[in-house]
Amino acid sequence: EPEVTQTPSHQVTQMGQEVILRCVPISNHLYFYWYRQILGQKVEFLVSFYNNEISEKSEIFDDQFSVERPDGSNFTLKIRSTKLEDSAMYFCASRGAGPKTGELFFGEGSRLTVL
Amino acid sequence: KQEVTQIPAALSVPEGENLVLNCSFTDSAIYNLQWFRQDPGKGLTSLLLIQSSQREQTSGRLNASLDKSSGRSTLYIAASQPGDSATYLCAVIKAAGNKLTFGGGTRVLVKP
Repeated sequence: EPEVTQTPSHQVTQMGQEVILRCVPISNHLYFYWYRQILGQKVEFLVSFYNNEISEKSEIFDDQFSVERPDGSNFTLKIRSTKLEDSAMYFCASRGAGPKTGELFFGEGSRLTVL
Repeated sequence: KQEVTQIPAALSVPEGENLVLNCSFTDSAIYNLQWFRQDPGKGLTSLLLIQSSQREQTSGRLNASLDKSSGRSTLYIAASQPGDSATYLCAVIKAAGNKLTFGGGTRVLVKP
């Protein structure tokens, strides 16, 4: 069964360092998303990506964040200069096209710990 | 701004009992509603998707209902098993392609 895969599963970094989280969405999907979940809190939307551009972003997704689809399979989230409050589980999600295809499929997540 | 609430936050039942999980949302103009399961430290597994034109959706022991006008959805899990122990999240999407807004989840423990 097709699935969304994320790497790394866990990353520990020092405050101020750059971090890149990687995702391989389901192959025929066209919409890609990043969400995050701070421990004990709700899952929060960060950004959506379609047709090689950002379609929507939240207020969390400031200039420190960027996304990229460098090739036909990978979708990355970069945090330029990490802060302590960036510590969270980051989830990538994807979905297919078409008006009736609304189901989002999530990866297992990348746990980011900023020290 | 859409707000999604799940009550109760935690629920403990003996094995075999039926589970009833509630989800409410403030803006009834939704495109669809999705239920997820999350095991501790793991990702989100999609359980059911209900489109705005539907009133319910079933998959095995799971049944989800949707009442858009009252802003409510209910997930029923029949004959619960210890393996059903997890956190269950509901999320709504306002329009195709837009973001999901999540509730805080209901943490379920099914005791053998």
